[in-house]
Amino acid sequence: GENVEQHPSTLSVQEGDSAVIKCTYSDSASNYFPWYKQELGKGPQLIIDIRSNVGEKKDQRIAVTLNKTAKHFSLHITETQPEDSAVYFCAPLTLTGTASKLTFGTGTRLQVTL
Amino acid sequence: KAGVTQTPRYLIKTRGQQVTLSCSPISGHRSVSWYQQTPGQGLQFLFEYFSETQRNKGNFPGRFSGRQFSNSRSEMNVSTLELGDSALYLCASSPPGGGEKLFFGSGTQLSVL
Repeated sequence: GENVEQHPSTLSVQEGDSAVIKCTYSDSASNYFPWYKQELGKGPQLIIDIRSNVGEKKDQRIAVTLNKTAKHFSLHITETQPEDSAVYFCAPLTLTGTASKLTFGTGTRLQVTL
Repeated sequence: KAGVTQTPRYLIKTRGQQVTLSCSPISGHRSVSWYQQTPGQGLQFLFEYFSETQRNKGNFPGRFSGRQFSNSRSEMNVSTLELGDSALYLCASSPPGGGEKLFFGSGTQLSVL
């Protein structure tokens, strides 16, 4: 099955600094690469996604970059704020026959300190 | 627009019992997926339903089952509960034409004693 790894597992940054989380995957047929944010007591929320025909996508302070050759994509958060503290998951789309599903990474706990 | 609603929010059961969890998707969404979340295994895919049919299934034993109704609401059932079934069960719905985008509910926290 699909192997999805995230690094680092925990990340602590000071407010205003940047944070980068990397996700590696094994399914070369994957063509959709989202990032989810999960706050305490809530379900994951989609924050940004990218398709395989695009190398980078930005949305205000958040960006995602994709390297399909190396099979990894990264989440970049600039000017971090305390409300960015959460667990972040990558979830590349994996294909099994005619069906597809998102396979979630192990998560990265981001702590933004004042 | 209301989000994905899961009931109950918390549930305590004992080993050997069975449990049914409910999920109401966002209005207009016809695809519903279920995930199990535990500290050790992370988010694991259980199954996906679309138009009352199971479209995809994860690697869980047959004790885990689900169904979807004509109004797109979904239920999942776990029979003969084991201690290891203690987890947060998350339901997510997907919009038409955007099947990869999952909108999650807040989950049902199941504790098996």
